[in-house]
Amino acid sequence: GENVEQHPSTLSVQEGDSAVIKCTYSDSASNYFPWYKQELGKRPQLIIDIRSNVGEKKDQRIAVTLNKTAKHFSLHITETQPEDSAVYFCADAGGTSYGKLTFGQGTILTVHP
Amino acid sequence: DVKVTQSSRYLVKRTGEKVFLECVQDMDHENMFWYRQDPGLGLRLIYFSYDVKMKEKGDIPEGYSVSREKKERFSLILESASTNQTSMYLCASQPASGYEQYFGPGTRLTVT
Repeated sequence: GENVEQHPSTLSVQEGDSAVIKCTYSDSASNYFPWYKQELGKRPQLIIDIRSNVGEKKDQRIAVTLNKTAKHFSLHITETQPEDSAVYFCADAGGTSYGKLTFGQGTILTVHP
Repeated sequence: DVKVTQSSRYLVKRTGEKVFLECVQDMDHENMFWYRQDPGLGLRLIYFSYDVKMKEKGDIPEGYSVSREKKERFSLILESASTNQTSMYLCASQPASGYEQYFGPGTRLTVT
């Protein structure tokens, strides 16, 4: 089955620094890559996603890049704030036309004031 | 606004008991999913359903079953709970036309 590897498992930064989380996937037919954020005690929520026909997508302080050749994609958060502290999950939909997602192991991001 | 609810936030059961976890969504979504969340392992798919009375095994279906008698409701059943099923269980729904999954608040199940 599809495999998604996520690194690092924990990330600690100072407020204002940038944070980068990376994921690799195994299915070369994968075409959709979302990122979910889960704050402490809350449910995961989609924060950004990218499809295989683009290489980068930005939304204010967050961006996602995709390298299909190398089969990896990354989440970039700039000017981090304490409220960015959460667990972040990457996922991919494989090459299917339906919405089954395979999630990475998660990254605990801590932003220190 | 999509709303996905789960029957309990916390549940404590004894080994061998039959356990029912229920999930209800109010957005007429076709697809529904059950995951378990464990530290360092991410979200692992147990079962999913694309339609009423339809079910598909996910990556870790052993020890679990599901039921979808109505479109809005997807139940996860632990036939005989074991201590290694102590975990956070998350339900999600998704429209057939899209990829975004909407999660419920989770049920933290402890099996003693």
